[in-house]
Amino acid sequence: EVQLLESGGGLVHPGGSLRLSCAASGFIFSSFAMSWVRQAPGKGLEWVSTFTGGAGDTHYADSVKGRFTISRDTSKNTLYLQMNSLRAEDTAVYYCAKISAWYEGAFDYWGQGTLVTVSS
Amino acid sequence: EIVLTQSPGTLSLSPGERATLSCRASQSVNSRYLGWYQQRPGQAPRLLLSGTSNRATGVPDRFSGSGSGTDFTLTISRLEPEDFAVYYCQQYGSSPYTFGQGTRLEIK
Repeated sequence: EVQLLESGGGLVHPGGSLRLSCAASGFIFSSFAMSWVRQAPGKGLEWVSTFTGGAGDTHYADSVKGRFTISRDTSKNTLYLQMNSLRAEDTAVYYCAKISAWYEGAFDYWGQGTLVTVSS
Repeated sequence: EIVLTQSPGTLSLSPGERATLSCRASQSVNSRYLGWYQQRPGQAPRLLLSGTSNRATGVPDRFSGSGSGTDFTLTISRLEPEDFAVYYCQQYGSSPYTFGQGTRLEIK
């Protein structure tokens, strides 16, 4: 059974940093692309970043490029999102999602999300 | 960037009725890379359909998808109480992997 468990959310001041983690199990972690998707309170879904399978290309939304870094540790089956220079508009529930292929595919499994609040 | 526009924003129907949700893309999307997701209140999104029309594991056959190019449709043949939720389309063939703004399906 595929399981994704996010952690690391919380309250942070504008300009601060936070690192989210997503512990994965139930599949061959290194063989699939993984993504982060966020949802601001009362709003829709916004794709944030993807780490592909294999060698691991990375992709970012323009809204986070240069501030966020996606990475993974295959020895720990864990996906990370390092978030720097946080802004109020980054406030959202952040979901980790498994992609159905090694590069591009549907987001076939999702975690329950972790809330990030950026506020002074 | 491919912009996805969903319509209507809100759809009010009764259980047992048929629902038709639309997703229009600002440029052509390869039908292999168009998906639909359901999100119930307080829950994470759930994949319903991938590749325009392929149901994910465990998705009932009352959910179906069609379309090509810039116009895609999610159809729910007979609404059950658990189907009232928000639905999102997504294209995942061209980064950024954009979502539509969602259609809220509510009980009339």
